[in-house]
Formats: sequence, C-alpha cells, structure tokens
Amino acid sequence: DAGITQSPRHKVTETGTPVTLRCHQTENHRYMYWYRQDPGHGLRLIHYSYGVKDTDKGEVSDGYSVSRSKTEDFLLTLESATSSQTSVYFCAISESPGDTYGYTFGSGTRLTVV
Amino acid sequence: GENVEQHPSTLSVQEGDSAVIKCTYSDSASNYFPWYKQELGKRPQLIIDIRSNVGEKKDQRIAVTLNKTAKHFSLHITETQPEDSAVYFCAANTGGFKTIFGAGTRLFVKA
Repeated sequence: DAGITQSPRHKVTETGTPVTLRCHQTENHRYMYWYRQDPGHGLRLIHYSYGVKDTDKGEVSDGYSVSRSKTEDFLLTLESATSSQTSVYFCAISESPGDTYGYTFGSGTRLTVV
Repeated sequence: GENVEQHPSTLSVQEGDSAVIKCTYSDSASNYFPWYKQELGKRPQLIIDIRSNVGEKKDQRIAVTLNKTAKHFSLHITETQPEDSAVYFCAANTGGFKTIFGAGTRLFVKA
C-alpha cells in the first residue's frame, strides 16, 4: 500500500509524556518529511530529512525532534507532549526534493494529548 | 518565506457542473505547484502538478492553470461526480525541500 507505513495509527497520551511516531518506507527514497494537519491550516512541515542522519527544521518544529538512522525509518519525537500538539501527523516520501514529482503520504497518525 | 492562500474554503456544486479552486503564492521563486486530493479519513494523494514553465496542464477532467505574473494558480474540475467530493490542497515549492500547502478546499458534489 504505497510503500510507506506509519505507526501507531492512533494514540492518546497525557500532557508531559514523550511520544515517538514512526514512519517506515520500502521505496528506498532519500527524502522524508513529517507534516501535521490541523483544520484551517492545511499541512505544515515539521521536519524533513535528505539522507541518513541529515535532517532540518520546517515551519513548526518547536517541541519536536527527529532522527533517521536508516534510509527506511524516520522517527518523530514529541519530547514533552502538550495539548497544542493534538493533531494528525503525516509522513511523506519523495525520490527527489519536493520540486519535482510531489510526495507520497503515509496513512497518518491521529495523536490526542489529554 | 512562502505563503499560499487558497479559496474558497468550502465549495458545493451540483453533479455535472464545474468546480474551480484558486490559490495565490507570495514567493516569485516558486516553480512547482502540486495539487493533492484527500478523501475523508484517507491520506493526501497527488492528482496533478504544474511547473513554472507551463501555463496549463490537463488530465482528463482535471486541469490546472498558472499565471506567474499574478502569482496565482487554479484547479478546474469539469463534469463533477460524487466521487470528486474531498478536500483539495494546493501547494508551492521554491525548488528545495519545503513545500508549502494551502489551507484546503472542501468540495461537495451533490448528486
């Protein structure tokens, strides 16, 4: 199914706890991205990766960190979850920087922080 | 940085009519403009894209136009069908890793 999976699909967590979301791809694409989707805001870039151990910040990176130790895995960590981080999180992959062929998105993770 | 505005936020049309969604961007360096469709509860999927050296592109019932001077681009769907009901996102990329999305348009096609 599109060669990209996210886990978990749903998660409820308490304020102040750390949370890690996983994105796994089987396409061997170099570029991976984490977006959050909120009503009225569309999709906003959190962090992206352009290779193993190569990552950078997006528009809304505060409170988030990422790691990429293997081509196929891109992890998003909320160090200390807050209610404002309740959102749907999408991982995306591309075989070139986003100006060429667009993205393939994962199915999303719905995160609720209570 | 780049900013993308999308209108309208909601659009309701009768089956068989046309639908038009408009986006404007702020960074004149933007050169790639993809459109994504997101059905309820599903992932966004790329449906069409256009590059800055092209003024119009068509794919069956879907077309996209680009006006670089005015910095706006539009999605046109003709002969709409109920399965076209979804949220549509426009986006702009300046040639790097950061694709900026519009806020989305929820399209309802009434049978």
